[in-house]
Amino acid sequence: DAKTTQPNSMESNEEEPVHLPCNHSTISGTDYIHWYRQLPSQGPEYVIHGLTSNVNNRMASLAIAEDRKSSTLILHRATLRDAAVYYCILINFGNEKLTFGTGTRLTIIP
Amino acid sequence: NAGVTQTPKFQVLKTGQSMTLQCAQDMNHNSMYWYRQDPGMGLRLIYYSASEGTTDKGEVPNGYNVSRLNKREFSLRLESAAPSQTSVYFCASSEFRRIAYEQYFGPGTRLTVT
Repeated sequence: DAKTTQPNSMESNEEEPVHLPCNHSTISGTDYIHWYRQLPSQGPEYVIHGLTSNVNNRMASLAIAEDRKSSTLILHRATLRDAAVYYCILINFGNEKLTFGTGTRLTIIP
Repeated sequence: NAGVTQTPKFQVLKTGQSMTLQCAQDMNHNSMYWYRQDPGMGLRLIYYSASEGTTDKGEVPNGYNVSRLNKREFSLRLESAAPSQTSVYFCASSEFRRIAYEQYFGPGTRLTVT
């Protein structure tokens, strides 16, 4: 199964953009790239997902490398509410047993 | 819409006791999932139901059983609780299989087995 690698932690200043990287060098052609985040003491919350093209929604943007071996979640203007653990996961029809890894803990500095 | 609801919020069991965690969604979703999250860890999939009437094992199914009661409800049963099952349990649902659709998570059930 394809795995993802994320930094354990990152810090960013409030009101500045944040770029959260994810490496997935063994990604297959049918793997979807999903991002979720988990605020303290809450269930995970969907952020964004994509397959090949860059994606934008009201929460964030997802930039996918041309070879799909890496992706970056972009929060355009971080707020204190964005402090959370961010998970990058790959899912396809062959690996629905996939778990979430340990993610990146994002700290926002006021 | 309430989204995904889970009961109970907290539970303490003694080793060997049984219990059922309840999950319901009001979004008319086809797929439902049960995860567990141990301290400092990510989520691991226990069981899932891609559609009403079907259930499949996830990564860590041992010690658990599930029932997809109807389209709305998906319960998780611990037949004989063990301390290793102390965890936070999350239920989730998605319109169709989570591969290409977003999942909506419940608030979680914090279970302690002594």
